[in-house]
Amino acid sequence: GESVGLHLPTLSVQEGDNSIINCAYSNSASDYFIWYKQESGKGPQFIIDIRSNMDKRQGQRVTVLLNKTVKHLSLQIAATQPGDSAVYFCAEKEGTGRRALTFGSGTRLQVQP
Amino acid sequence: DTGVSQNPRHKITKRGQNVTFRCDPISEHNRLYWYRQTLGQGPEFLTYFQNEAQLEKSRLLSDRFSAERPKGSFSTLEIQRTEQGDSAMYLCASSLDRQGDRLFFGSGTQLSVL
Repeated sequence: GESVGLHLPTLSVQEGDNSIINCAYSNSASDYFIWYKQESGKGPQFIIDIRSNMDKRQGQRVTVLLNKTVKHLSLQIAATQPGDSAVYFCAEKEGTGRRALTFGSGTRLQVQP
Repeated sequence: DTGVSQNPRHKITKRGQNVTFRCDPISEHNRLYWYRQTLGQGPEFLTYFQNEAQLEKSRLLSDRFSAERPKGSFSTLEIQRTEQGDSAMYLCASSLDRQGDRLFFGSGTQLSVL
């Protein structure tokens, strides 16, 4: 059978713990960043986004942190639940007029009950 | 359902055949994107429309691939003379100018080329 997510780094956490998923980007011209969650057989689902003029943004149970100095983005999920188990992708958009998002390679989050 | 709709969900074809996928974006979304995703990888950008105009194409979009959005609403992606390397999930996304750069994705069309 197929090997799902063969090359994906995996983060395994206990239910109720906080999760931190990291993402490095290389394009200093990027001005917009976004996190998506993707469950098996579904398209990516928006979680939270942030523009480069901010370094932190909070949503419901999620926080995105942006460190432009080291080109690093992180997604924090508070009180992780089994329903949070999925593959998480960060994506960036260049601030040069391009509209397309460029995606990273993803991290699989496994929540242990 | 007012989300992005893609058809078919699955397509199995033989090498050398042509296939066409359809995407219906969220109503009133003027931007439409096609991405391709292979197992274990993030989505890769293929092409982007603003209304009916195709404004950007990736170098991944070989001459066997063509996309259209004739009336600025639904879009089709055609792959001619399919190859086994075309096997992937083809994702469509849409967005609205005044809502910024957030893309809303459909569930994709899974293509298997035998």
